[in-house]
Amino acid sequence: QVTLKESGPGILQPSQTLSLTCSFSGFSLSTYGMCVVWIRQSSGKGLEWLANIWWNDSQDYNPSLKNRLTISKDTSNNQVFLRITNMDTADTATYYCARRHVYYGLFDYWGQGVMVTVSS
Amino acid sequence: QIMLTQQAESLWISPGERVSITCRASQSLLYTDGKHYLSWYQQRPGQTTKALIYHASVRTDGVPTRFIGSGSGTEFTLSIEHVQPEDFAIYYCLQTLKSPYTFGAGTKLELK
Repeated sequence: QVTLKESGPGILQPSQTLSLTCSFSGFSLSTYGMCVVWIRQSSGKGLEWLANIWWNDSQDYNPSLKNRLTISKDTSNNQVFLRITNMDTADTATYYCARRHVYYGLFDYWGQGVMVTVSS
Repeated sequence: QIMLTQQAESLWISPGERVSITCRASQSLLYTDGKHYLSWYQQRPGQTTKALIYHASVRTDGVPTRFIGSGSGTEFTLSIEHVQPEDFAIYYCLQTLKSPYTFGAGTKLELK
């Protein structure tokens, strides 16, 4: 059974760095073709793909935030991390991680999401 | 980037009716392998986002047969036949043909 769960600080101030963790089970990121993605959802912008990391450590980023994003993984502990620098109130959103299916381009399993509020 | 347009923000329907949700892409989502990289998702409050359809028309495991994906090129449709009470939710399309991957704005099914 595949599950993913996001964790994060909940609230932070503008200009701070957000650190999120996606803890997953039911698959391994050391397996060929596996990929974990980060997505966020805000009332203003809907669903927005942020980044993904593949089994071979290849990374893709949304160009609209590329300079601010860093995705990484700890394969041994089944975790994926996302850092977003210089957070702004516009980054207030629910952040999700999901698994991308090997062949179908499908985000087949999602976490419940973690709400992040940026406020002074 | 590829834009996905879901024209209808909300659709009001009664249980038992049939409904169609459309998603239009700014360019073809057909890849060289002959597949369309368009998928559909359902969001309900308090539940994880559920993947319904991939490659435009293939149901994921366990998805009821009343959910039907169709379309090609740039025009795609998610149809739900005999809508059930648990189908009142928000539906999104997603393209994973080209990065940055993009979602439609969502269509909310509401009880008439």
